[in-house]
Amino acid sequence: DTAVSQTPKYLVTQMGNDKSIKCEQNLGHDTMYWYKQDSKKFLKIMFSYNNKELIINETVPNRFSPKSPDKAHLNLHINSLELGDSAVYFCASSQDLAEAYEQYFGPGTRLTVT
Amino acid sequence: QKEVEQDPGPLSVPEGAIVSLNCTYSNSAFQYFMWYRQYSRKGPELLMYTYSSGNKEDGRFTAQVDKSSKYISLFIRDSQPSDSATYLCAMDSSYKLIFGSGTRLLVRP
Repeated sequence: DTAVSQTPKYLVTQMGNDKSIKCEQNLGHDTMYWYKQDSKKFLKIMFSYNNKELIINETVPNRFSPKSPDKAHLNLHINSLELGDSAVYFCASSQDLAEAYEQYFGPGTRLTVT
Repeated sequence: QKEVEQDPGPLSVPEGAIVSLNCTYSNSAFQYFMWYRQYSRKGPELLMYTYSSGNKEDGRFTAQVDKSSKYISLFIRDSQPSDSATYLCAMDSSYKLIFGSGTRLLVRP
């Protein structure tokens, strides 16, 4: 059973396009996160949601908009893609906010913007 | 200065060696200290976490936290080729994790 899943696994697109990445967790967790990992493997949080409510919104361009239709899903929509958006995007979840120290990550979505 | 500093490596050791991975940090408010393992083209996987100072052991892995020095370590005993991966330290801050940049470990057969 896959705990945290993401689709698609790979995404290649051109500058200026709009794309979405989907994340689902079947762990029954309340809190979900989006991270960006750059080419140097540096992993940085972008957003977190707790029970569908936005908790953390780091200094991320407005072109990135997360949406949580329910506790088990957290999607990421990116408008007007730029070259600098190329990275691996990871979704993660934790039981709740207080247990943010125990997060489970998805397999990642490798986004390439040409 | 980054909040969490980690030597990027790579660190190459022979099979069976004891491996020591380290991170330093600047924020004394951190309470939980985590180690994640990330295989190539995979998501990070939580190895273990420690609350406050002290040691924690899980099989071949031992995590140490020294809050007075703002220094954490992960020791791997009897290292195996399957331990070859990038190891990321992380610390909690206001319900979010701050990661080090990761140390790439290669265990040679």
